[in-house]
Amino acid sequence: EPEVTQTPSHQVTQMGQEVILRCVPISNHLYFYWYRQILGQKVEFLVSFYNNEISEKSEIFDDQFSVERPDGSNFTLKIRSTKLEDSAMYFCASRASGITGELFFGEGSRLTVL
Amino acid sequence: GENVEQHPSTLSVQEGDSAVIKCTYSDSASNYFPWYKQELGKRPQLIIDIRSNVGEKKDQRIAVTLNKTAKHFSLHITETQPEDSAVYFCAASINHGQNFVFGPGTRLSVLP
Repeated sequence: EPEVTQTPSHQVTQMGQEVILRCVPISNHLYFYWYRQILGQKVEFLVSFYNNEISEKSEIFDDQFSVERPDGSNFTLKIRSTKLEDSAMYFCASRASGITGELFFGEGSRLTVL
Repeated sequence: GENVEQHPSTLSVQEGDSAVIKCTYSDSASNYFPWYKQELGKRPQLIIDIRSNVGEKKDQRIAVTLNKTAKHFSLHITETQPEDSAVYFCAASINHGQNFVFGPGTRLSVLP
């Protein structure tokens, strides 16, 4: 069964450093998402991406965040200057179309900012 | 924007009993309501969903009901089993899933 894959599974970084989280969505999917889950809390929407551009973003997704689909398969989330409060599990997700609803999540990338 | 609330935050039931988790949403334009199950340390996975043109949907031991007027929807799990133990998240979206707003989650524990 096709899966969304994410790397790294866990990254530890110093505050102020740049981090790139990588995702490979399911190959025929058109909509891509990043979500964040702080330990023990709910899944929070960051950004959605369609047709090579951001379609929607949340208040969390400020200027220190950016997304890119550099090569038609990878979908990356960059955090320019990490803060302690960026420590969370980051989930990438993808969806086949705008009508069918199922969102497929990756296994997540745990980011720890020291 | 949309706000989704979920109750209870934790729920313990005896194996074989039923479990009910309730969610409310604020935006009457929301039209798609999925439920996700997240086992410890794993990714959320869709277990059932319902669209706004349907009032109830059932899949084996799991059912979801939707009351559009009251803006609430519920997950019902019958004959619970230990493997049902997980965190369950409801979500609401507009445009059949363009963006999902998740509830805060319910930790379900099924006691043997």
